[in-house]
Amino acid sequence: EPEVTQTPSHQVTQMGQEVILRCVPISNHLYFYWYRQILGQKVEFLVSFYNNEISEKSEIFDDQFSVERPDGSNFTLKIRSTKLEDSAMYFCASSEARSSETQYFGPGTRLLVL
Amino acid sequence: AQKITQTQPGMFVQEKEAVTLDCTYDTSDQSYGLFWYKQPSSGEMIFLIYQGSYDEQNATEGRYSLNFQKARKSANLVISASQLGDSAMYFCAMRDGNTPLVFGKGTRLSVIA
Repeated sequence: EPEVTQTPSHQVTQMGQEVILRCVPISNHLYFYWYRQILGQKVEFLVSFYNNEISEKSEIFDDQFSVERPDGSNFTLKIRSTKLEDSAMYFCASSEARSSETQYFGPGTRLLVL
Repeated sequence: AQKITQTQPGMFVQEKEAVTLDCTYDTSDQSYGLFWYKQPSSGEMIFLIYQGSYDEQNATEGRYSLNFQKARKSANLVISASQLGDSAMYFCAMRDGNTPLVFGKGTRLSVIA
């Protein structure tokens, strides 16, 4: 069964460093998403991506964040200068279509900023 | 205003019993989708079940069923014949109109042997 994959599973970084989180969405899916979940809290939407551009973003997704689809399979989230409060689980998700379609989540990358 | 409300921070259920996890939602759109996800202690988000606002029948997937009451704006998840492996956080989520997927705060289910 096709699934969303994410690498790395865990990342530890120093405050101020750049991190890139990688995702491979399900191959026939057209819509891609990033979410984050701070420890013990609910899952929050960051950004959605379609047709090589951002379609929606939340207020969390500020200038420190960027997304890219560098090739036909990968979808990346970059945090330019990490802050302590960026420590969270980051989930990538993908869906075939947009409205009301099920989003399938990857296993997540647990990011710890020291 | 919260779009998704899960009022039970924690629930306990005896193995082999059924359990209902509550979820109410708020939307003015006619077209929307409701989802339940399971998050075990390992952290991944596992899709369980989907209910569309125009679906006339309650969604079912194996031991999971969704008790959809549109007039009450509720979409409760029913897990039948609970198993120890069902112990996890359960999140209700909704997508309506042009908004992204919005999650509730979750319910932690503990299945007792």
